Amino acid sequence: DQQVKQNSPSLSVQEGRISILNCDYTNSMFDYFLWYKKYPAEGPTFLISISSIKDKNEDGRFTVFLNKSAKHLSLHIVPSQPGDSAVYFCAASLYSGGGADGLTFGKGTHLIIQP
Amino acid sequence: GAGVSQSPSNKVTEKGKDVELRCDPISGHTALYWYRQSLGQGLEFLIYFQGNSAPDKSGLPSDRFSAERTGGSVSTLTIQRTQQEDSAVYLCASSGGWETQYFGPGTRLLVL
Repeated sequence: DQQVKQNSPSLSVQEGRISILNCDYTNSMFDYFLWYKKYPAEGPTFLISISSIKDKNEDGRFTVFLNKSAKHLSLHIVPSQPGDSAVYFCAASLYSGGGADGLTFGKGTHLIIQP
Repeated sequence: GAGVSQSPSNKVTEKGKDVELRCDPISGHTALYWYRQSLGQGLEFLIYFQGNSAPDKSGLPSDRFSAERTGGSVSTLTIQRTQQEDSAVYLCASSGGWETQYFGPGTRLLVL
């Protein structure tokens, strides 16, 4: 039973436009959410996180939105750049940093930025 | 380097052989995690070490899997009598306790 779901395996966006990646979760006990970016043959790189007490967190071109009642979060990238082409993983945890239960990951969304 | 390092980067082995994967966490990070990513799947949490404390092994896929962390730093993940379904990328991450996890590049394991 997947507790973190990314329903779009891939997404294609034109350079300069907004990329919106979505993530749903089922465990209402999750308290901390993260987005990681992964290039081929590399480990995931941390992008941005949000605590359940917030509904928005911004870092440069990246913004994460959290809707706790809908158990949904999204990552917005504006403007999208060619270097943003990668697989994006949504992750959730019961505790900040992961703790003894680690992070629970979605299957990822492959973002392709078209020139 | 300052990041998490893992070795080997690639490992091809025959079914039934034992393999040992190594992780060097970021210096000073007390927490260390192992994950596995099978083809087309997300990362699956395997085991967590906090300092030198004994880990909770309940996330390991089978009793053929074991992990150690010596001196609160380097960790090894051992898979005995490998099976084809063990083929995956094995990722290690470390963090400064309750902070963000930083991942290494992974070990790509192929069991023939």
